[in-house]
Amino acid sequence: AQTVTQSQPEMSVQEAETVTLSCTYDTSESDYYLFWYKQPPSRQMILVIRQEAYKQQNATENRFSVNFQKAAKSFSLKISDSQLGDAAMYFCALRDGATNKLIFGTGTLLAVQP
Amino acid sequence: ETGVTQTPRHLVMGMTNKKSLKCEQHLGHNAMYWYKQSAKKPLELMFVYNFKEQTENNSVPSRFSPECPNSSHLFLHLHTLQPEDSALYLCASSVPLDGSNYGYTFGSGTRLTVV
Repeated sequence: AQTVTQSQPEMSVQEAETVTLSCTYDTSESDYYLFWYKQPPSRQMILVIRQEAYKQQNATENRFSVNFQKAAKSFSLKISDSQLGDAAMYFCALRDGATNKLIFGTGTLLAVQP
Repeated sequence: ETGVTQTPRHLVMGMTNKKSLKCEQHLGHNAMYWYKQSAKKPLELMFVYNFKEQTENNSVPSRFSPECPNSSHLFLHLHTLQPEDSALYLCASSVPLDGSNYGYTFGSGTRLTVV
């Protein structure tokens, strides 16, 4: 069975600082995709960044980047120059390339202190 | 707005009521999903529709009844719910099974409270 684990229920970061959110996963598939979603109080689940498992290069989107360690099945999210608007629940998710199912972790609630 | 619209945004219903949640997308996606989001738990995938056909039902109780009349609309019919069914219900859509690296596009959810 595929699982996604986020071991940090809550994190806090000072504005303009850098924070890293952890995620580990388990799958027996070779074809899969990994995602980080952000869910602010508005409840809208917003895609932050994606990573194809077959790509060795870590994905980056502006202030957001990932550290993808395939052998360790680790997929952490780094937020640089944190802003107040980054405060939200962050979910790590795994998409099985064969079934298209998206499996989520329990989320990490990020607070940004001014 | 992401292109996936859910109504109503909030719903309070009694255990004997019948209500429906609606989800609509005009993104050209052919796969649609219902998720249940409860506090302190991972999002639970409830139902999957591909090209209007239900392809997954994750042991969801029969008091939840999905309907997908076309690729753009998805409903979740509710009847005789229990208080533990109170949660945020999220709808999502995607391009199905094409090996795309795109994730799902989500709606804003319906906050359901069963009293």
